[in-house]
Amino acid sequence: KQEVTQIPAALSVPEGENLVLNCSFTDSAIYNLQWFRQDPGKGLTSLLLIQSSQREQTSGRLNASLDKSSGRSTLYIAASQPGDSATYLCAVHANDYKLSFGAGTTVTVRA
Amino acid sequence: DTAVSQTPKYLVTQMGNDKSIKCEQNLGHDTMYWYKQDSKKFLKIMFSYNNKELIINETVPNRFSPKSPDKAHLNLHINSLELGDSAVYFCASSQEARGLRGNTGELFFGEGSRLTVL
Repeated sequence: KQEVTQIPAALSVPEGENLVLNCSFTDSAIYNLQWFRQDPGKGLTSLLLIQSSQREQTSGRLNASLDKSSGRSTLYIAASQPGDSATYLCAVHANDYKLSFGAGTTVTVRA
Repeated sequence: DTAVSQTPKYLVTQMGNDKSIKCEQNLGHDTMYWYKQDSKKFLKIMFSYNNKELIINETVPNRFSPKSPDKAHLNLHINSLELGDSAVYFCASSQEARGLRGNTGELFFGEGSRLTVL
Protein backbone atom coordinates (compact mmCIF):
# COMPACT_ATOMS: atom_id res chain seq x y z
CA LYS A 1 0.00 0.00 0.00
CA GLN A 2 1.33 3.41 -0.98
CA GLU A 3 2.13 5.71 1.95
CA VAL A 4 2.73 9.41 1.25
CA THR A 5 4.37 11.65 3.84
CA GLN A 6 4.78 15.41 3.72
CA ILE A 7 7.25 17.30 5.83
CA PRO A 8 6.95 19.78 7.43
CA ALA A 9 3.29 19.80 8.42
CA ALA A 10 3.36 23.59 8.70
CA LEU A 11 5.70 26.34 7.62
CA SER A 12 5.74 30.08 8.29
CA VAL A 13 8.13 32.35 6.40
CA PRO A 14 8.54 36.07 5.74
CA GLU A 15 7.62 37.36 2.32
CA GLY A 16 10.36 36.96 -0.26
CA GLU A 17 11.86 33.81 1.21
CA ASN A 18 12.03 30.64 -0.90
CA LEU A 19 9.85 27.70 0.15
CA VAL A 20 10.88 24.05 0.11
CA LEU A 21 8.16 21.45 0.61
CA ASN A 22 9.01 17.76 0.83
CA CYS A 23 7.03 14.70 -0.14
CA SER A 24 8.10 11.07 0.24
CA PHE A 25 6.37 7.89 -0.91
CA THR A 26 6.98 4.22 -0.19
CA ASP A 27 6.25 2.51 -3.51
CA SER A 28 8.31 3.75 -6.45
CA ALA A 29 6.08 2.05 -9.06
CA ILE A 30 4.20 5.23 -9.81
CA TYR A 31 2.43 6.59 -12.89
CA ASN A 32 2.81 10.25 -12.00
CA LEU A 33 3.02 12.66 -9.06
CA GLN A 34 0.89 15.75 -8.75
CA TRP A 35 1.17 18.80 -6.51
CA PHE A 36 -2.01 20.62 -5.51
CA ARG A 37 -2.87 23.76 -3.64
CA GLN A 38 -5.92 23.99 -1.37
CA ASP A 39 -7.20 27.25 0.06
CA PRO A 40 -9.42 27.10 3.19
CA GLY A 41 -12.92 25.91 2.33
CA LYS A 42 -12.04 25.46 -1.33
CA GLY A 43 -11.28 22.67 -3.75
CA LEU A 44 -7.91 21.48 -4.99
CA THR A 45 -6.04 23.36 -7.69
CA SER A 46 -3.48 21.42 -9.69
CA LEU A 47 -0.07 23.11 -9.65
CA LEU A 48 2.32 20.70 -11.33
CA LEU A 49 2.23 17.17 -12.70
CA ILE A 50 5.41 15.12 -13.08
CA GLN A 51 5.27 11.94 -15.13
CA SER A 52 7.21 8.95 -13.82
CA SER A 53 9.73 9.35 -16.65
CA GLN A 54 10.44 13.00 -15.82
CA ARG A 55 12.82 14.52 -13.27
CA GLU A 56 11.23 17.93 -12.85
CA GLN A 57 8.54 20.35 -13.98
CA THR A 58 8.45 24.12 -13.79
CA SER A 59 5.69 26.68 -13.90
CA GLY A 60 6.51 30.29 -13.14
CA ARG A 61 7.91 30.51 -9.61
CA LEU A 62 7.16 26.85 -8.97
CA ASN A 63 9.52 23.97 -9.58
CA ALA A 64 8.91 20.36 -8.65
CA SER A 65 11.48 17.59 -8.76
CA LEU A 66 10.99 13.84 -8.70
CA ASP A 67 13.45 11.15 -7.63
CA LYS A 68 11.50 7.94 -8.13
CA SER A 69 14.23 5.60 -6.94
CA SER A 70 14.44 7.26 -3.54
CA GLY A 71 10.69 7.94 -3.37
CA ARG A 72 10.94 11.70 -3.07
CA SER A 73 9.55 14.86 -4.59
CA THR A 74 10.27 18.44 -3.65
CA LEU A 75 8.23 21.53 -4.46
CA TYR A 76 10.16 24.79 -4.57
CA ILE A 77 8.37 28.12 -4.54
CA ALA A 78 10.66 31.05 -5.26
CA ALA A 79 10.26 34.51 -3.75
CA SER A 80 7.18 33.67 -1.70
CA GLN A 81 4.25 36.10 -1.48
CA PRO A 82 1.36 36.34 1.00
CA GLY A 83 -0.91 34.98 -1.75
CA ASP A 84 1.06 31.72 -1.62
CA SER A 85 -0.41 31.01 1.82
CA ALA A 86 -2.38 27.77 1.49
CA THR A 87 -2.12 24.04 2.10
CA TYR A 88 0.03 22.20 -0.43
CA LEU A 89 -0.78 18.56 -1.11
CA CYS A 90 1.36 15.95 -2.78
CA ALA A 91 -0.47 13.09 -4.51
CA VAL A 92 1.04 9.95 -5.98
CA HIS A 93 -0.78 8.25 -8.83
CA ALA A 94 -0.10 4.53 -8.77
CA ASN A 95 -0.28 2.13 -11.66
CA ASP A 96 -3.57 0.78 -10.26
CA TYR A 97 -5.32 4.16 -10.81
CA LYS A 98 -5.30 5.04 -7.11
CA LEU A 99 -4.17 8.51 -6.12
CA SER A 100 -2.72 8.59 -2.62
CA PHE A 101 -2.45 11.91 -0.84
CA GLY A 102 -0.10 13.20 1.80
CA ALA A 103 -1.53 15.08 4.77
CA GLY A 104 -0.31 18.39 3.32
CA THR A 105 1.96 21.24 4.34
CA THR A 106 0.21 24.40 5.52
CA VAL A 107 2.19 27.44 4.42
CA THR A 108 1.87 30.93 5.87
CA VAL A 109 3.76 33.75 4.19
CA ARG A 110 3.99 36.81 6.44
CA ALA A 111 3.88 40.26 4.84
CA ASP B 1 -17.08 27.00 -17.82
CA THR B 2 -16.51 24.87 -14.74
CA ALA B 3 -14.57 21.74 -15.62
CA VAL B 4 -15.74 19.55 -12.71
CA SER B 5 -18.92 20.67 -10.99
CA GLN B 6 -20.59 19.24 -7.91
CA THR B 7 -24.02 19.88 -6.44
CA PRO B 8 -24.98 20.71 -3.83
CA LYS B 9 -22.07 22.65 -2.40
CA TYR B 10 -23.50 22.47 1.12
CA LEU B 11 -25.79 19.85 2.60
CA VAL B 12 -27.12 19.80 6.16
CA THR B 13 -29.32 16.87 7.11
CA GLN B 14 -30.48 14.69 9.99
CA MET B 15 -29.09 11.31 10.94
CA GLY B 16 -30.88 8.47 9.20
CA ASN B 17 -31.76 10.43 6.07
CA ASP B 18 -30.73 9.49 2.52
CA LYS B 19 -28.95 12.06 0.35
CA SER B 20 -27.24 12.32 -3.03
CA ILE B 21 -24.38 14.40 -4.40
CA LYS B 22 -24.06 14.89 -8.13
CA CYS B 23 -20.91 15.40 -10.18
CA GLU B 24 -20.44 16.32 -13.82
CA GLN B 25 -17.29 16.91 -15.84
CA ASN B 26 -17.08 18.59 -19.24
CA LEU B 27 -13.45 17.69 -19.93
CA GLY B 28 -14.18 14.57 -21.94
CA HIS B 29 -12.31 12.46 -19.39
CA ASP B 30 -12.79 8.72 -19.14
CA THR B 31 -12.28 8.32 -15.37
CA MET B 32 -14.06 9.87 -12.41
CA TYR B 33 -13.47 9.64 -8.67
CA TRP B 34 -15.03 10.36 -5.31
CA TYR B 35 -12.77 11.42 -2.45
CA LYS B 36 -13.61 12.11 1.18
CA GLN B 37 -11.80 14.80 3.17
CA ASP B 38 -12.24 14.36 6.88
CA SER B 39 -12.00 16.90 9.69
CA LYS B 40 -8.21 16.48 9.77
CA LYS B 41 -8.14 17.47 6.09
CA PHE B 42 -6.87 14.08 4.96
CA LEU B 43 -8.09 13.04 1.50
CA LYS B 44 -8.99 9.43 0.92
CA ILE B 45 -10.26 7.78 -2.23
CA MET B 46 -13.66 6.11 -2.07
CA PHE B 47 -14.58 5.08 -5.61
CA SER B 48 -13.41 5.37 -9.17
CA TYR B 49 -15.15 4.69 -12.46
CA ASN B 50 -13.44 4.25 -15.81
CA ASN B 51 -15.78 4.42 -18.80
CA LYS B 52 -18.75 3.76 -16.48
CA GLU B 53 -17.09 0.67 -14.98
CA LEU B 54 -16.24 0.57 -11.28
CA ILE B 55 -12.47 0.13 -10.95
CA ILE B 56 -11.77 1.25 -7.39
CA ASN B 57 -13.98 0.47 -4.43
CA GLU B 58 -12.19 1.13 -1.19
CA THR B 59 -13.44 -0.14 2.17
CA VAL B 60 -16.43 2.14 2.26
CA PRO B 61 -19.68 1.16 4.05
CA ASN B 62 -22.25 -0.20 1.61
CA ARG B 63 -24.52 2.69 2.62
CA PHE B 64 -22.49 4.59 0.02
CA SER B 65 -23.43 3.74 -3.56
CA PRO B 66 -21.87 5.44 -6.58
CA LYS B 67 -23.67 5.55 -9.91
CA SER B 68 -22.25 6.52 -13.27
CA PRO B 69 -25.00 6.95 -15.87
CA ASP B 70 -22.43 8.03 -18.47
CA LYS B 71 -18.75 8.97 -18.69
CA ALA B 72 -19.44 12.60 -17.78
CA HIS B 73 -21.39 11.93 -14.59
CA LEU B 74 -20.65 10.21 -11.30
CA ASN B 75 -23.19 10.54 -8.51
CA LEU B 76 -22.87 9.48 -4.89
CA HIS B 77 -25.88 8.28 -2.94
CA ILE B 78 -25.65 7.82 0.82
CA ASN B 79 -28.28 5.89 2.77
CA SER B 80 -29.01 6.09 6.50
CA LEU B 81 -26.62 8.94 7.16
CA GLU B 82 -24.51 8.81 10.32
CA LEU B 83 -22.69 11.53 12.26
CA GLY B 84 -19.36 10.17 11.06
CA ASP B 85 -20.33 10.81 7.45
CA SER B 86 -19.89 14.54 8.02
CA ALA B 87 -17.03 15.58 5.73
CA VAL B 88 -16.25 17.30 2.48
CA TYR B 89 -16.73 15.05 -0.54
CA PHE B 90 -14.72 15.84 -3.65
CA CYS B 91 -15.35 14.64 -7.15
CA ALA B 92 -12.45 14.47 -9.61
CA SER B 93 -11.80 13.35 -13.16
CA SER B 94 -8.82 12.39 -15.30
CA GLN B 95 -8.03 11.05 -18.72
CA GLU B 96 -6.37 7.69 -18.18
CA ALA B 97 -6.32 5.55 -21.37
CA ARG B 98 -2.72 4.92 -20.51
CA GLY B 99 -0.18 4.50 -23.21
CA LEU B 100 -1.90 6.94 -25.53
CA ARG B 101 0.11 10.01 -26.39
CA GLY B 102 -1.04 13.08 -24.52
CA ASN B 103 -2.85 11.28 -21.70
CA THR B 104 -1.11 12.40 -18.55
CA GLY B 105 -3.58 11.14 -15.94
CA GLU B 106 -3.72 14.63 -14.42
CA LEU B 107 -6.58 14.95 -11.95
CA PHE B 108 -9.00 17.85 -11.88
CA PHE B 109 -11.12 18.39 -8.79
CA GLY B 110 -14.50 19.92 -8.15
CA GLU B 111 -15.05 22.52 -5.44
CA GLY B 112 -16.31 19.96 -2.94
CA SER B 113 -19.63 19.24 -1.23
CA ARG B 114 -19.67 19.86 2.49
CA LEU B 115 -21.99 17.38 4.21
CA THR B 116 -23.04 18.00 7.81
CA VAL B 117 -25.06 15.32 9.57
CA LEU B 118 -26.87 16.46 12.74
